[in-house]
Amino acid sequence: AQTVTQSQPEMSVQEAETVTLSCTYDTSENNYYLFWYKQPPSRQMILVIRQEAYKQQNATENRFSVNFQKAAKSFSLKISDSQLGDTAMYFCAFMKHDQKLVFGQGTRLTINP
Amino acid sequence: NAGVMQNPRHLVRRRGQEARLRCSPMKGHSHVYWYRQLPEEGLKFMVYLQKENIIDESGMPKERFSAEFPKEGPSILRIQQVVRGDSAAYFCASSRDGQVRNQPQHFGDGTRLSIL
Repeated sequence: AQTVTQSQPEMSVQEAETVTLSCTYDTSENNYYLFWYKQPPSRQMILVIRQEAYKQQNATENRFSVNFQKAAKSFSLKISDSQLGDTAMYFCAFMKHDQKLVFGQGTRLTINP
Repeated sequence: NAGVMQNPRHLVRRRGQEARLRCSPMKGHSHVYWYRQLPEEGLKFMVYLQKENIIDESGMPKERFSAEFPKEGPSILRIQQVVRGDSAAYFCASSRDGQVRNQPQHFGDGTRLSIL
């Protein structure tokens, strides 16, 4: 079974700083997808960024980028120029062909003014 | 274009009652997924449905829980004889088809179920 591990339960940075959230996963699959979801206090689940395992190029969405290391099974999220609105729980998730998202435990990120 | 709609947003039930959670997928989406989030935890997969079919229910408890996605109307997650341990946030997601490559699952705002 696939597992996703987020080793940082909580992180806190100052506004405008850069922060990196860690995620590792375990799978024997070669083709799969990885995602970062954001859950603000409103508890919505918002897709931040996704990566296809067959693509070597790291995905980027504005201030959000990933460092995908397939051999190491690592998928970290970097948030540049952090903003107060980035305060949320962040979940790393894995999916193979069966369509089931497997989530990590989450990292609570606080951006301080 | 409306997103995934879940209702009710909050549901309170007493132990032993039934809970019905509804999910209307995004327009044009025919695949629905239900996830459960216990306090301070990540979401856990429960069931994957297509119109009138259950594709994968490997994450559903064997007793008291059932799900359907009829030809017409929303998907329903039904919990019979609720217990305190059923208190959680239940999220529904939808996708256009089973091909992850083109589009991810879009989530609703969730239903927070509280059992008294």
